[in-house]
Amino acid sequence: RKEVEQDPGPFNVPEGATVAFNCTYSNSASQSFFWYRQDCRKEPKLLMSVYSSGNEDGRFTAQLNRASQYISLLIRDSKLSDSATYLCVVNNYGGSQGNLIFGKGTKLSVKP
Amino acid sequence: DAGVTQSPTHLIKTRGQQVTLRCSPISGHKSVSWYQQVLGQGPQFIFQYYEKEERGRGNFPDRFSARQFPNYSSELNVNALLLGDSALYLCASSLAVKSGETQYFGPGTRLLVL
Repeated sequence: RKEVEQDPGPFNVPEGATVAFNCTYSNSASQSFFWYRQDCRKEPKLLMSVYSSGNEDGRFTAQLNRASQYISLLIRDSKLSDSATYLCVVNNYGGSQGNLIFGKGTKLSVKP
Repeated sequence: DAGVTQSPTHLIKTRGQQVTLRCSPISGHKSVSWYQQVLGQGPQFIFQYYEKEERGRGNFPDRFSARQFPNYSSELNVNALLLGDSALYLCASSLAVKSGETQYFGPGTRLLVL
C-alpha cells in the first residue's frame, strides 16, 4: 500500500463548479499535512496546510480526519486558473528527519 | 527576496555519465531537501540536509550523493546515469527540520538521459 493515495483523476469540471479531492495516508503517526499545487512543468507550491480543526482560505477548504487517516480539499466556485495538479502531502517528522511524502497528484481541468 | 534557485534548468546527458545539480536556498533557510519527480508521479524524497549534516536519505541507490556547504547551498551528484534517472529534480528549502515546517521548492532541473 502506498503511503499517500489520492483520487486518480483527472477531474474535468465547468467554471463555477465545486470539486472535492480525497486523500488517505497509511502512517498513523504522521504529524503534518499539506496540499500543494503544481502547474504543468512547474515546481510544487504550497496551497495550504491542513489541521484537525479544518481550515479555510477563500474558496479552498481543507479537512483532516486522523481517526480515518483521511485528508480532503474542497474548491468552491472553480476558476479557470485553478487548473493544475493537486498534491496531497504528509510529513512524518521523526528523529532528526522531516521529509515530505507526496501522493501521485490529481489533475484538475476547469473548462469555460 | 529571492526564492529557491537551481541550476542548470535543463540538462542532457548520456548513460554512464555523471551530473551535478546545484541549489541555493531562501536566505535564512538552513535546511535543503532534494526530490526526484518522474513524469506522472509525485516527487520522491532523495536527501535532506540541515546545518551541513545529512538528516535523511530516501530509497535511492548509492549512485546518488549530496552535500551542503557552509552557506547552506547544496549539490546533488548522480553517477553512472541510467535512462531511468531522467526526471525533474527539485530542491526545497526550509528554516529548520521540524514537524509542520513548510518546504519551499525551486523551479527544478530537468534531466534527460539518452
